[in-house]
Amino acid sequence: QVQLLQSGAEVKKPGDSVKVSCKTSGYTFTDYYMHWVRQAPGQGLEWMGWVNSNTGGTRYALQFQGRVTMTRDTSLDTVYVELSSLTSDDTAVYYCARRSGAVGTIYFDSWGQGILVTVSS
Amino acid sequence: DIQMTQSPSSLSASVGDRLTITCRASQGISNSLAWYQQKPGKAPKLLLYAASSLESGVPSRFSGFGSGTDFTLTISSLQPEDFATYYCQQYYDTSALTFGGGTKVEIK
Repeated sequence: QVQLLQSGAEVKKPGDSVKVSCKTSGYTFTDYYMHWVRQAPGQGLEWMGWVNSNTGGTRYALQFQGRVTMTRDTSLDTVYVELSSLTSDDTAVYYCARRSGAVGTIYFDSWGQGILVTVSS
Repeated sequence: DIQMTQSPSSLSASVGDRLTITCRASQGISNSLAWYQQKPGKAPKLLLYAASSLESGVPSRFSGFGSGTDFTLTISSLQPEDFATYYCQQYYDTSALTFGGGTKVEIK
């Protein structure tokens, strides 16, 4: 079955960078785009962007452009997101989410378990 | 960005109740809408896509309706496992995906 397994919780200081991973299994890695969605404590869901698992192409939400990088390693079937210049507003659970749907449709049929990133001085 | 507004933000209901949650888009999105269920400490789970198409394995008591700007999620007979928070998500603008603020369904 499809599994998205994310790395462990992180604690960072303001100004730091964080890189979290999402290891996939149970499907052909390069057939699906992977997205990242975050959720601040007690808040709603915020889309961050995607990485094309085949080509490595990316697209980021405007509010993260310039400080987010999404990458993939096809030898490990793993995707990564790195966020720099962290502030307390970046404290959130970060989810990887597999894109489902035909061309032109983007919704998420499988999600990682989430990683809590805490930014605190 | 397209803004998605859910109402109510929370509600109390009893097992067996029929309930409806509304999601409104700030501009027309055709039927480019998905619904998710999220339980505390867990990742969201896809329920419906294309406004009314049920994801495989999701019980038929969940249904969706709507097109353009106004959408609804209905649970025909609330079960204990349905107490959760529900989110809508538009994918009409694929360069800027957005979610509603969520509707928390609590036990009365």
